[in-house]
Amino acid sequence: AQSVTQLDSQVPVFEEAPVELRCNYSSSVSVYLFWYVQYPNQGLQLLLKYLSGSTLVKGINGFEAEFNKSQTSFHLRKPSVHISDTAEYFCAVTIRTGANNLFFGTGTRLTVIP
Amino acid sequence: KAGVTQTPRYLIKTRGQQVTLSCSPISGHRSVSWYQQTPGQGLQFLFEYFSETQRNKGNFPGRFSGRQFSNSRSEMNVSTLELGDSALYLCASSTPPTGGLYEQYFGPGTRLTVT
Repeated sequence: AQSVTQLDSQVPVFEEAPVELRCNYSSSVSVYLFWYVQYPNQGLQLLLKYLSGSTLVKGINGFEAEFNKSQTSFHLRKPSVHISDTAEYFCAVTIRTGANNLFFGTGTRLTVIP
Repeated sequence: KAGVTQTPRYLIKTRGQQVTLSCSPISGHRSVSWYQQTPGQGLQFLFEYFSETQRNKGNFPGRFSGRQFSNSRSEMNVSTLELGDSALYLCASSTPPTGGLYEQYFGPGTRLTVT
């Protein structure tokens, strides 16, 4: 079975400061990894994904994430946040055998303070 | 391309009633998945339909069901509603797989409130 842990339920950060949102996963098989963002009253938007290859993945809106196999982590980072980054962020995994269901973490609420 | 559309966006029902939610996928996407999002349980996978067949199912009671039509549009139905069914129901349509990976695109969701 797969599981995803997002250690921080809420992260407040000042505008233009860097931020890291943490994600750890557990799986007995190889997985693909994703970060999604959810703005108020909207669905989920894909920020970035890790499939294979380089462990540093760049996504939209200036976000990047680093895959660490030994620590089973996939932390999301942004060097300088904006007010518009205030949203809920979800880490997710899916197994690599063609299954089409995502397992999500519980989410991290990022609040950017002016 | 138009995105994933879900109707209605908001719905209020009474305990014991049933409800049907609709999802229209992105043109060309044949796979549709449904998720339930609640504050307590987070985002949970309900089921996936591909070519009018349920291909994968999460751990939900039989009151939750779905179907897919020949044009890939999908509906989900919840019978005998309970207060705990109040949630945001998200639909996602998927690209044809590349290297075993389906990339999911989410709709805005239907907010169901059960009173």
